[in-house]
Amino acid sequence: ILNVEQSPQSLHVQEGDSTNFTCSFPSSNFYALHWYRWETAKSPEALFVMTLNGDEKKKGRISATLNTKEGYSYLYIKGSQPEDSATYLCAFRSGSARQLTFGSGTQLTVLP
Amino acid sequence: DGGITQSPKYLFRKEGQNVTLSCEQNLNHDAMYWYRQDPGQGLRLIYYSQIVNDFQKGDIAEGYSVSREKKESFPLTVTSAQKNPTAFYLCASSIVGARDNQPQHFGDGTRLSIL
Repeated sequence: ILNVEQSPQSLHVQEGDSTNFTCSFPSSNFYALHWYRWETAKSPEALFVMTLNGDEKKKGRISATLNTKEGYSYLYIKGSQPEDSATYLCAFRSGSARQLTFGSGTQLTVLP
Repeated sequence: DGGITQSPKYLFRKEGQNVTLSCEQNLNHDAMYWYRQDPGQGLRLIYYSQIVNDFQKGDIAEGYSVSREKKESFPLTVTSAQKNPTAFYLCASSIVGARDNQPQHFGDGTRLSIL
């Protein structure tokens, strides 16, 4: 079983603050890295699928970077809003597997 | 609206009973997945299916069974052999494409509890 770790486990920030969190995954046999946002009482929603080393993706105030050689991805939120409060999940896919391995998530709370 | 429907939202099971969780999708996706979530843990894959009439075990398949008789449906049966079935279960689906880097789409989940 592959090891995918996310840090921190939880995070509280004030409205307007920028924040970031980390997903670490195996640096060998990389295929893809997914980010999902999971709001309470809703279903997880895909944010990004990243495949290339050095890739940067952006969706509104949220962006992500990818370093496959060292095995990490950062998710950034600029100017956090209360509606950004959610659990952010990353999921790794290796080249030899068809399934995703999920991290345990970072729970973000944005205080008004 | 296209999406994934899981039912029921809450399910209670007596010890020794089998129970089936429903998952239906109208997204025309080839692949479907079942995950289990326990407190403080990530989603763990139970079973997945890339095509009708075919499915593969995930990391924690023991005590579970699935079927894929139709593209739209991927029911999960939690059998009495599953010793710790209390958990939150999520169903997902995705396109299977040439580059195979498609995101997964999730249902709202079913919470199963033992009486």
